Amino acid sequence: DTEVTQTPKHLVMGMTNKKSLKCEQHMGHRAMYWYKQKAKKPPELMFVYSYEKLSINESVPSRFSPECPNSSLLNLHLHALQPEDSALYLCASSLTSLQETQYFGPGTRLLVL
Amino acid sequence: QKEVEQDPGPLSVPEGAIVSLNCTYSNSAFQYFMWYRQYSRKGPELLMYTYSSGNKEDGRFTAQVDKSSKYISLFIRDSQPSDSATYLCAIVNSGGYQKVTFGIGTKLQVIP
Repeated sequence: DTEVTQTPKHLVMGMTNKKSLKCEQHMGHRAMYWYKQKAKKPPELMFVYSYEKLSINESVPSRFSPECPNSSLLNLHLHALQPEDSALYLCASSLTSLQETQYFGPGTRLLVL
Repeated sequence: QKEVEQDPGPLSVPEGAIVSLNCTYSNSAFQYFMWYRQYSRKGPELLMYTYSSGNKEDGRFTAQVDKSSKYISLFIRDSQPSDSATYLCAIVNSGGYQKVTFGIGTKLQVIP
């Protein structure tokens, strides 16, 4: 099973809302990632968790707050977003964070009004 | 110069054609090579990965790596309309934390 699941599939939120994106994998992977993808662009790395600890933050604004409650789950908490944050948010996982193939979820399509 | 260069296309081919998708890269430290397929409004799906120079085949797909030229290719034989998607090459540094550098993606359309 190489499945990464993400919920919700679609999300519309106002700039004052607080919402969360969820990601789950049951492959025993110990590295999990959040990416942001705009139309006709490749995914851009936001955060990396390795063994449930945040190891990489690619200078992401604080209105995005990641959380890794356990080795199977990854959340992305959203607060006070801007319209330019509208994008496809992708979760990925890999066995470890060292040279391992990343498997992506289907993404959450976020629209900020 | 971008670390990974990929022609964005679009590339249109008739059904049954052989498709060649290519990327070049500039960093000799890149050691691990992947191809992802992404359908519109979906997450990327891993197609193939390889460490070494040479060819790797999986069904209708062949990944080719030439490290001396810093050039990678994905060939699709007997292309089908269901192959219509954006194909992203993805390359990883050797050693240490795995940061994936993606190409911009080539949009492929296979016409019935």
